[in-house]
Amino acid sequence: EVQLVESGGGLVQPGRSLKLSCAASGFTFSNYYMAWVRQAPKKGLEWVATISTSGSRTYYPDSVKGRFTISRDNAKSSLYLQMNSLKSEDTATYYCARLGLRIRGYFDYWGQGVMVTVSS
Amino acid sequence: DIQMTQSPHSLSASLGETVSIECLASEGISNYLAWYQQKPGKSPQLLIYYASSLQDGVPSRFSGSGSGTQYSLKISNMQPEDEGVYYCQQGYKYPFTFGSGTKLEIK
Repeated sequence: EVQLVESGGGLVQPGRSLKLSCAASGFTFSNYYMAWVRQAPKKGLEWVATISTSGSRTYYPDSVKGRFTISRDNAKSSLYLQMNSLKSEDTATYYCARLGLRIRGYFDYWGQGVMVTVSS
Repeated sequence: DIQMTQSPHSLSASLGETVSIECLASEGISNYLAWYQQKPGKSPQLLIYYASSLQDGVPSRFSGSGSGTQYSLKISNMQPEDEGVYYCQQGYKYPFTFGSGTKLEIK
């Protein structure tokens, strides 16, 4: 059974940093692109970052580029999101998600999400 | 960026009814279109990928169609467990973008 379990969320002040983790199990982690998707309270979904199987390629929207860094440790089947210079608009539930194996344009499994609140 | 315009914003349906949700992309996305269902307090679940491919385990009353810039999700024989918010998402080009969501309720 595919499982994605996020951790590391919490309350953080504007301008500070936070690192999220996602522990993956039930599949060969190193074979899949992985991503983070977020959802602000009572709002829709926003893609945040994607990383290739080896970690050599990463992709970000302009809203987080230069502030967020996605990374992975295939030996530990873990995905990470380093968030720096946090802003109030980064307040959201952050989901770890797996991309499809052959068609990498969709998210076939999602974690339960972890809440990040940016506030003074 | 590719904009995804989803409609309607909300709708209500009776049990057994058939409903459709539309998604319009601001440019052609070559069928790289997925649909998700999200229930309150839960993470999204994939229903359809590549416009019309049904994800494993998803009931066959869900179906997707479309091409180019116009896509739709059809739910036949509406069931109580189908209540939730539905999102479309394009995976053709980065940045991946989602529609604003359609809230589906039982009438």
